[in-house]
Amino acid sequence: GESVGLHLPTLSVQEGDNSIINCAYSNSASDYFIWYKQESGKGPQFIIDIRSNMDKRQGQRVTVLLNKTVKHLSLQIAATQPGDSAVYFCAETPRDYKLSFGAGTTVTVRA
Amino acid sequence: SQTIHQWPATLVQPVGSPLSLECTVEGTSNPNLYWYRQAAGRGLQLLFYSVGIGQISSEVPQNLSASRPQDRQFILSSKKLLLSDSGFYLCAWSAQETQYFGPGTRLLVL
Repeated sequence: GESVGLHLPTLSVQEGDNSIINCAYSNSASDYFIWYKQESGKGPQFIIDIRSNMDKRQGQRVTVLLNKTVKHLSLQIAATQPGDSAVYFCAETPRDYKLSFGAGTTVTVRA
Repeated sequence: SQTIHQWPATLVQPVGSPLSLECTVEGTSNPNLYWYRQAAGRGLQLLFYSVGIGQISSEVPQNLSASRPQDRQFILSSKKLLLSDSGFYLCAWSAQETQYFGPGTRLLVL
């Protein structure tokens, strides 16, 4: 079964607010994590990644936080925009180069 | 830069018909290649992966097969489609851990 899951299947956020998407993983051997964004009818798009030797990594308007103690990963999106509406997946690498994906969180941005 | 292509974009096939989906990657050599299936509203299920020409590993028993005739070409096939084969098929490539996905093929089996 999947070892990566998401706390909430949907998230509604007001435009301009910050979004926080959470993910729990169960394999303590995983050392690399990725967040993907998937818009309707398209393939997943790489957003940001983080290795297990880091707690935080920032990109453009996005920040990924990793808490290895509780096996928790989160994606923060600053000043959420309508274009951020999508399904967001977290993924981990429990073995070799094969990723294990969670079910995804659907983010809807309210105008 | 690297690009990944999939075709066709959409396909409607009758039950029992054959299938061939193609994926090609440009701008990289000797990539790892992957086929995933995504059911509506669900996550991604890894079907096959390949680390080189002619090297295919299957993750789940199913009605599908994969082949890699060239370094940057990955093909997903079936001899006889089932209704349950309907879904969104995604090809991905990687040089190391990060996988980059193609645009996908939506398959509807009727």
